[in-house]
Amino acid sequence: EIVLTQSPGTLSLSPGERATFSCRASQSVSSSYLAWYQQKPGQAPRLLIYGASSRATGIPDRFSGSGSGTDFTLTISRLEPEDFAVYYCQQYGSSMYTFGQGTKLEIK
Amino acid sequence: QLQLQESGPGLVKPSETLSLTCTVSGGSISSDNYYWGWIRLPPGKGLEWIGSIYYRGSTYYNPSLKSRVTLFVDSSKNQFSLKLSSVTAADTAVYYCARHNWNYGYYYGMDVWGQGTTVIVSS
Repeated sequence: EIVLTQSPGTLSLSPGERATFSCRASQSVSSSYLAWYQQKPGQAPRLLIYGASSRATGIPDRFSGSGSGTDFTLTISRLEPEDFAVYYCQQYGSSMYTFGQGTKLEIK
Repeated sequence: QLQLQESGPGLVKPSETLSLTCTVSGGSISSDNYYWGWIRLPPGKGLEWIGSIYYRGSTYYNPSLKSRVTLFVDSSKNQFSLKLSSVTAADTAVYYCARHNWNYGYYYGMDVWGQGTTVIVSS
């Protein structure tokens, strides 16, 4: 089973700043099978990025994804007030899906 | 627009079986491009994938839950369902159903989600 480890656990930033989220896999992951989600309290997760770097429908271009192998990154170029939430990476491999433990983005 | 809606009891007793159904509207569950799955969010924890099913019946389960989980699909009702047996307090969570978008072997992510339903395991 591939384990995804996200860092940091909590990120404290201000609107307008740049946010960088890390997702490290315990073994190599196909970039085609790496996705990122945003979840706000009381809401379902929302797909942001698939294929490591492709934005899902309706996702603003301030969100971008990159990486390969075991290291993947989600970047928000300039934080808006509505971006403060929990972010999860997720991979598919060997007929199963796994999520990282999440990174909470909070207002500084 | 495709919508998913979870339904089922909000309270289940320990050792009993949790049963939830996801109803798909605005589209067909019988599509070659999609799998359908369940994910949960325990209080204070992160997302956990439970299992996924194809409309023709093939299933994939989280190994940590496999001995207790059964998924099945009813294409005539455009629904898929989850049964989780021998529940304990650790199964208390918000349960989500979601569409997994696959096209020609390329994964487009879990792109449509239900709103989630809270299940509490308590006597």
